Amino acid sequence: AQSVSQHNHHVILSEAASLELGCNYSYGGTVNLFWYVQYPGQHLQLLLKYFSGDPLVKGIKGFEAEFIKSKFSFNLRKPSVQWSDTAEYFCAVANTGFQKLVFGTGTRLLVSP
Amino acid sequence: SQTIHQWPATLVQPVGSPLSLECTVEGTSNPNLYWYRQAAGRGLQLLFYSVGIGQISSEVPQNLSASRPQDRQFILSSKKLLLSDSGFYLCAWSPGQGSYEQYFGPGTRLTVT
Repeated sequence: AQSVSQHNHHVILSEAASLELGCNYSYGGTVNLFWYVQYPGQHLQLLLKYFSGDPLVKGIKGFEAEFIKSKFSFNLRKPSVQWSDTAEYFCAVANTGFQKLVFGTGTRLLVSP
Repeated sequence: SQTIHQWPATLVQPVGSPLSLECTVEGTSNPNLYWYRQAAGRGLQLLFYSVGIGQISSEVPQNLSASRPQDRQFILSSKKLLLSDSGFYLCAWSPGQGSYEQYFGPGTRLTVT
């Protein structure tokens, strides 16, 4: 069965630090990749997505992610985090042709001012 | 634009009582609809999904059931709640037809006492 791994469960950073959250998936076929974010007290929101083309995708609020097919990875990055980035981040994968997402267990990011 | 509604926002029910959580989507037609349960540290677990009226797929055998009586309405039910049914339930929709991103509602916090 397909699975998604997020190895960092909790991350604490100071403002202006750089961020990289890891995401690895287990499926070898064609995949569609997503990062979602859940700010405290808010809905789960789509941060960015990758379907095909340029493996470096840019999302909202200065986030970007890079798809590395050979490593089955889709890591999320941000050069300089802000206090408002404090949230829980979820990586998700969908196999092409299957209308279901498989989510990782999430990473809680705390940014201290 | 599309919006997704869930109600109630919170619910406290005794063990053995029935359950009905409702989800409706506006601004789109024939969406794929999904029910998830979110548990702290365990990400999102897909419970049910539907690609059309009356079409329900169950992902996890459990005490819950789902129905889709109308195109944009998705209902999560139980005849007799268990303590283990407590959790945060999320509804999501997707355009389908080759589009894999999902959009989430605000969720329902269910506490079974």
